[in-house]
Amino acid sequence: AQKVTQAQTEISVVEKEDVTLDCVYETRDTTYYLFWYKQPPSGELVFLIRRNSFDEQNEISGRYSWNFQKSTSSFNFTITASQVVDSAVYFCALSEAASGTYKYIFGTGTRLKVLA
Amino acid sequence: EAGVAQSPRYKIIEKRQSVAFWCNPISGHATLYWYQQILGQGPKLLIQFQNNGVVDDSQLPKDRFSAERLKGVDSTLKIQPAKLEDSAVYLCASSLAGVLSYEQYFGPGTRLTVT
Repeated sequence: AQKVTQAQTEISVVEKEDVTLDCVYETRDTTYYLFWYKQPPSGELVFLIRRNSFDEQNEISGRYSWNFQKSTSSFNFTITASQVVDSAVYFCALSEAASGTYKYIFGTGTRLKVLA
Repeated sequence: EAGVAQSPRYKIIEKRQSVAFWCNPISGHATLYWYQQILGQGPKLLIQFQNNGVVDDSQLPKDRFSAERLKGVDSTLKIQPAKLEDSAVYLCASSLAGVLSYEQYFGPGTRLTVT
């Protein structure tokens, strides 16, 4: 069965600190996709990244980077030199194929507070 | 490109009343999702459409919730009768469909308060 665990409920950092948000997943499929979304105080979820199970390369996009490790079923997200605008709730999500389509499940989210 | 549109943005109703939410997905997106997000929790999928067919409604409380996507574009989610525990944000999202799993694009949500 699918499961996504974000054990960190809330993290507070001071601006310019680096912060890592953890995501651990469970799936029986060999083909699956992992996602990160950001939900700022305005409420609208914004897509950040998609990774498929066959691509374990880490990815960097500006101050954001993602570390995908199949051996530990983790897909962690690091923000370097955090800024106040990074304050939001971040969700990790997993989708796996089922009956000709993909089923999504979201984690419970990690609230990040970046203090000035 | 226009994003996912939802209306209304806010709704306050009394328990046992009915309510309906509307969603217009991004043009060309065959897959449409309705989620319920209770405060402090992650989005919970209620129903997923591909074109105008239902592909997953396993978590939809069918005794009170219904949804339709006529013509494979707009969708409506209805609650009748509402309960206090239905207070939440109802999110609509859409995505491309195909052999890959694509990212979802979310609307601003409808915040429902049941009193």
